[in-house]
Amino acid sequence: EAGVTQFPSHSVIEKGQTVTLRCDPISGHDNLYWYRRVMGKEIKFLLHFVKESKQDESGMPNNRFLAERTGGTYSTLKVQPAELEDSGVYFCASSQVTAVNEQFFGPGTRLTVL
Amino acid sequence: AQSVAQPEDQVNVAEGNPLTVKCTYSVSGNPYLFWYVQYPNRGLQFLLKYITGDNLVKGSYGFEAEFNKSQTSFHLKKPSALVSDSALYFCAVRDPFSGGYNKLIFGAGTRLAVHP
Repeated sequence: EAGVTQFPSHSVIEKGQTVTLRCDPISGHDNLYWYRRVMGKEIKFLLHFVKESKQDESGMPNNRFLAERTGGTYSTLKVQPAELEDSGVYFCASSQVTAVNEQFFGPGTRLTVL
Repeated sequence: AQSVAQPEDQVNVAEGNPLTVKCTYSVSGNPYLFWYVQYPNRGLQFLLKYITGDNLVKGSYGFEAEFNKSQTSFHLKKPSALVSDSALYFCAVRDPFSGGYNKLIFGAGTRLAVHP
C-alpha cells in the first residue's frame, strides 16, 4: 500500500512569489490534514478535510493560504504571495474515518522563502 | 489552552542503556495521546497511542509509554536503546474540541541521540 506522498520535497522561492504544495493521501482515507513546523518549533495544525469539504481551517495563518481538495482525493496548499515567515516544513497526513485512528504522515515539503 | 510539552530538546543515551523521552500534556477531559518518530528525510511514523485501558502502552520497535493521569504525563521508554533509534520524537494529544475528529496538538519534539 502506498503511503502519503507530497510534492515537491523542497521548494525555494522569493518573497512575493506563489508556491503550490501537493499531497496525495492513502487511498480510501477520507480525512486529510495539513500541518506545519516552523523553525524547529511545534508542529501546528493548519486545516482538515473530510473528503472534499473543509471540516476545520482554524489553523490557517491568514488569507494568503488557500487549500483545496478536488474530488476528495489529492489536496493542494497554495501560498500567495509568500512571506519570509511562511518558511518551514509542511506536512500532510491522512486517516480513516474513525476519530481515534492514527494519522499517516507524508515526508513533508520544506519551503524556504528568501 | 490545550498543549503538549516536551521539556528536553535533546536526550543523549548510550547504546544498550534504557531511554526515556518525556512528555506532559494539558488538555480538557480524557486525553488521547500519541507518539510519533521522524527519521531524517522521512515523514512522521506512528509509534503508539493511548486511548483508554492499561496505562502501559506497547508500540513499534520495542517502545512503550506510560500514561500517568495524576502527573499528566506520557513518557516514552525503551529498555535498551539502539543507535538506529536516533531520531526526532514528537508527543501529541488529540484536541478535545476537534468535533470528534483527530486534530493533533504536538510538542516541539525531542531529538534522541544514541551513542555506540
